[in-house]
Amino acid sequence: GQQVMQIPQYQHVQEGEDFTTYCNSSTTLSNIQWYKQRPGGHPVFLIQLVKSGEVKKQKRLTFQFGEAKKNSSLHITATQTTDVGTYFCALTTSGTYKYIFGTGTRLKVLA
Amino acid sequence: ETGVTQTPRHLVMGMTNKKSLKCEQHLGHNAMYWYKQSAKKPLELMFVYSLEERVENNSVPSRFSPECPNSSHLFLHLHTLQPEDSALYLCASSQDPGGYEQYFGPGTRLTVT
Repeated sequence: GQQVMQIPQYQHVQEGEDFTTYCNSSTTLSNIQWYKQRPGGHPVFLIQLVKSGEVKKQKRLTFQFGEAKKNSSLHITATQTTDVGTYFCALTTSGTYKYIFGTGTRLKVLA
Repeated sequence: ETGVTQTPRHLVMGMTNKKSLKCEQHLGHNAMYWYKQSAKKPLELMFVYSLEERVENNSVPSRFSPECPNSSHLFLHLHTLQPEDSALYLCASSQDPGGYEQYFGPGTRLTVT
């Protein structure tokens, strides 16, 4: 079956430092989505990437889709305490309605 | 956010009980989903419904039985569960199934004793 590796599993950073999480698939993807889940909360949609090599920005967040459409990254510049949570990638492949979620990267920001 | 609501928020049940989880979406979406979130495991897709028709069943044990009476409501009927079924059960909806952003409800924290 399709596998989704997300690294790192945990990341502790000092406030103001940058943070990056990576999502890798064993197969070519139709698209990839990113979600954020605050502690005690539910996943909240951040963005969807569809095109090969696509880069999208949301304020301090930069999302990238690999050229081969098999990997993606989320980069946060100058982290803040409000960035705390678990970041998940979710992918779909053509011909199915299945969303496969990565294992998530839990980010802790130390003030 | 009140786009997707779930009840109850917490549920404790014995292994011989029968209970139901309810989800309602107020977004006019056509697709609804059930997910299971356990500690130290990825979010697991259980079922997908599109316009009240089940379009994905992700090898879920028969002790979980979904029902979608209309495009706004989704139920998960539970019976003879096991302790390992204790988890957070999340409902989500999207405009259509597959490849659209999903809106999640707050979840039901289920404990099976």
